[in-house]
Amino acid sequence: AQSVTQLDSQVPVFEEAPVELRCNYSSSVSVYLFWYVQYPNQGLQLLLKYLSGSTLVKSINGFEAEFNKSQTSFHLRKPSVHISDTAEYFCAVSDQDSSASKIIFGSGTRLSIRP
Amino acid sequence: DGGITQSPKYLFRKEGQNVTLSCEQNLNHDAMYWYRQDPGQGLRLIYYSQIVNDFQKGDIAEGYSVSREKKESFPLTVTSAQKNPTAFYLCASSPVAGREKLFFGSGTQLSVL
Repeated sequence: AQSVTQLDSQVPVFEEAPVELRCNYSSSVSVYLFWYVQYPNQGLQLLLKYLSGSTLVKSINGFEAEFNKSQTSFHLRKPSVHISDTAEYFCAVSDQDSSASKIIFGSGTRLSIRP
Repeated sequence: DGGITQSPKYLFRKEGQNVTLSCEQNLNHDAMYWYRQDPGQGLRLIYYSQIVNDFQKGDIAEGYSVSREKKESFPLTVTSAQKNPTAFYLCASSPVAGREKLFFGSGTQLSVL
């Protein structure tokens, strides 16, 4: 069965500083990987996803994540954060095996941006 | 507007009572999911359904039950066997199970009286 570990429950950073939110997964088969974001008082929305092909995927608001199969990681990065990036970020995984299509989430990382 | 609707927004349960949370979608999605969100624990999967008349247990199914009699509806019943039901419950749907993005409802906050 697959699982997801987000090592940092909270990450405080200064505005315009770079940030990395860590995500590691475990699975016995190939996976699909996702990052979701939950802004304050809003619902969850997809930030980016990896299905296949290029291991580096990007979002429209400057975040990127790289799939590293050997390290079973899918860390989320942004070179320069803004106050508006304050949110909780969730990593999620799904097995590519069509008979096991559940999507499992990590415990979340709360990103707080200091001016 | 297409979307996924959860009701009620707030729900209170008495000891020994079963309660049902509603989840309806008009997106014509095959897959539907129920998650429980607790502070510091992220989203934990309760049940999911890939297609009508079929559903599977997630990681924390004990004390919960579901049905999928219609494509657009996936109600969750929190039974009296669930000893710690206080949580925020999220329903989600996707066109195809597993590889497509999830569309989330606005959630139901369940509390025990």
